[in-house]
Amino acid sequence: QVHLQESGPGRVKASETLSLTCAVSGGSIRSYYWYWIRESPGKGLDWIAYFYYGGSANLSPSLNYNPSLKSRVTMSVDASKNHFSLKMTSVTPADTAIYHCARGGWNGRFDTWGQGTLVTVSS
Amino acid sequence: QSVLTQPPSVSGAPGQRVTISCTGSGSTIGAGYDVHWYQHLPGTAPKLVIYGDTNRPSGVPDRISASKSGASASLAISGLQAEDEAFYFCQSYDSSLGVVVFGGGTKLTVL
Repeated sequence: QVHLQESGPGRVKASETLSLTCAVSGGSIRSYYWYWIRESPGKGLDWIAYFYYGGSANLSPSLNYNPSLKSRVTMSVDASKNHFSLKMTSVTPADTAIYHCARGGWNGRFDTWGQGTLVTVSS
Repeated sequence: QSVLTQPPSVSGAPGQRVTISCTGSGSTIGAGYDVHWYQHLPGTAPKLVIYGDTNRPSGVPDRISASKSGASASLAISGLQAEDEAFYFCQSYDSSLGVVVFGGGTKLTVL
């Protein structure tokens, strides 16, 4: 059974960079689509970024970002360690949220989620 | 503001049936894209309870069902139990945005 575990700093100061990692066990990140999704107070859920590997000959993942966050977000993937990471720059209190990683498909259908890591941005 | 609209809360007594609506548009549910439903208890990983409009993953009780019509979908939970108390949110795809979209979530309270 696939298990996802997020790790993060817990608290970040405004204007700094947030770094998160999702460790995947029980399945390879070379299959499926893998997302970062955040759950903000009063704003619900929103996807941040996702990646997937294409055909078997494709050694590099396709990275995709939410247009509203694209200028501040970078995703990286380490297939050898079966984990992926997210960096978000210039954070503000509005970025305070629970950050989840999840496995799904092109249309969502997220069948496995991490329990999430709370990130609080202090001003 | 979420692309898919859900009521903020619903409630029902044990044993009763409740429904949760999810309203989209012509570029989401109305375009025929699948609707998926999740159960979420704060502090835990969300759980997929319905996929592809009406299908239950293994292990989800048949008290939970769903339907879709036009640009809307509904989740129904019959024979309410205390363990059903949670947040439920819907999810689909938006062809105009080219991204997955979520409902705002509905808090189900078992009275």
